[in-house]
Amino acid sequence: IQMTQTPSTLSASVGDRVTITCRASQSINSWLAWYQQKPGEAPNLLIYKASRLESGVPSRFSGSGSETEFTLTISSLQPDDFALYFCQQYKTNPYTFGQGTKLEIK
Amino acid sequence: VQLVESGGGLVKPGGSLRLSCAASGFTFSSFNMNWVRQAPGEGLQWVSSISGGETFVYYADSVKGRFTVSRDNAKNSLYLQMDSLRAEDTAVYYCARDRSGGYPVFSDWGRGTLVTVSS
Repeated sequence: IQMTQTPSTLSASVGDRVTITCRASQSINSWLAWYQQKPGEAPNLLIYKASRLESGVPSRFSGSGSETEFTLTISSLQPDDFALYFCQQYKTNPYTFGQGTKLEIK
Repeated sequence: VQLVESGGGLVKPGGSLRLSCAASGFTFSSFNMNWVRQAPGEGLQWVSSISGGETFVYYADSVKGRFTVSRDNAKNSLYLQMDSLRAEDTAVYYCARDRSGGYPVFSDWGRGTLVTVSS
């Protein structure tokens, strides 16, 4: 299953509301996760099952969608949020990731 | 939860390496474990998974037949034996634990170990 994220790069300012989209090449129901990765660090799980917030993740992060189209929304960007974001499907092996979205400061 | 990878390094094409991941802070045998890699400046690629009791193992097509995942629950350790290495295997290799519930969502990660395949 191929995962396609858009945009590849997103420029935004602190306080902005931003949305990243992830599309699956076939239905994955709600078997989708989102990760954040900062330079030199391992990824960090944000969202699983499309919309469930991982423990300890700020509530400004939210996920939605099902079947083939999903979104990650950050309601009010904080300085710590500028990072790389990846989606991952886990409906079917091989578990595949999107190519990533770089969220940068405008 | 702590996951610490080791064993990376520089190896020639066709060579072998064995990666290890030392786990602590949780009941290791109760969790499926995974290897995920990231080539320099690239995205994430799932490599392999192994169930808690070693009942099942899965591999990405790109490593099938060359890599072997294993675990030692008595030592709280995960391994990845990598043979017939290629330049395209160059990456940071992360050990990652499934989230509770058994689904391949990776809730905990090590810091990674760099494997460089070059002559």
